[in-house]
Amino acid sequence: GNSVTQMEGPVTLSEEAFLTINCTYTATGYPSLFWYVQYPGEGLQLLLKATKADDKGSNKGFEATYRKETTSFHLEKGSVQVSDSAVYFCALKNFGNEKLTFGTGTRLTIIP
Amino acid sequence: DVKVTQSSRYLVKRTGEKVFLECVQDMDHENMFWYRQDPGLGLRLIYFSYDVKMKEKGDIPEGYSVSREKKERFSLILESASTNQTSMYLCASSPPGAARELFFGEGSRLTVL
Repeated sequence: GNSVTQMEGPVTLSEEAFLTINCTYTATGYPSLFWYVQYPGEGLQLLLKATKADDKGSNKGFEATYRKETTSFHLEKGSVQVSDSAVYFCALKNFGNEKLTFGTGTRLTIIP
Repeated sequence: DVKVTQSSRYLVKRTGEKVFLECVQDMDHENMFWYRQDPGLGLRLIYFSYDVKMKEKGDIPEGYSVSREKKERFSLILESASTNQTSMYLCASSPPGAARELFFGEGSRLTVL
């Protein structure tokens, strides 16, 4: 079946540091891949997505590249801000299946 | 702006009570979902619906049921609440298609005493 594994948190970084949150997946076929973000007290919102191999999703300075050869979709940002403090979820959706399968989430805290 | 609205942000219920969680979307989406979010476990799918009156079990349907009488509304029902159902419940909707993202509500935090 489908599964998503993301690095365990919590992750604490200083402002302007480089961020990587690792995500790998197991799926049959060619899934679409997503990163969602959950700010304190809010629901999940889409951060970025990629729908085929070698696609790069980007938004708000965050990037992730769909790597089929390593079955990975790592989230990166060059310079984090305090406002990026949130929980980040990696997820996949397989062709012919409307359900999103989520990783366990990574809590990120940025300190000034 | 697209919107998924969950009727209650916070609920406190007693063991054995029947609990209704309501969700409404204004985007005319075919698919609607109920997830449960617990620390360390991420989001787990309880039920989803791909059309009015249609439903399918997710990964953890035990102790829950759902109702979708209208396209825009999807209700989650706990027939007899138990303490292990204390959790954050997230409703989502989406159009059909593997590349289409889910849109989430703000969540309903349920405490069962």
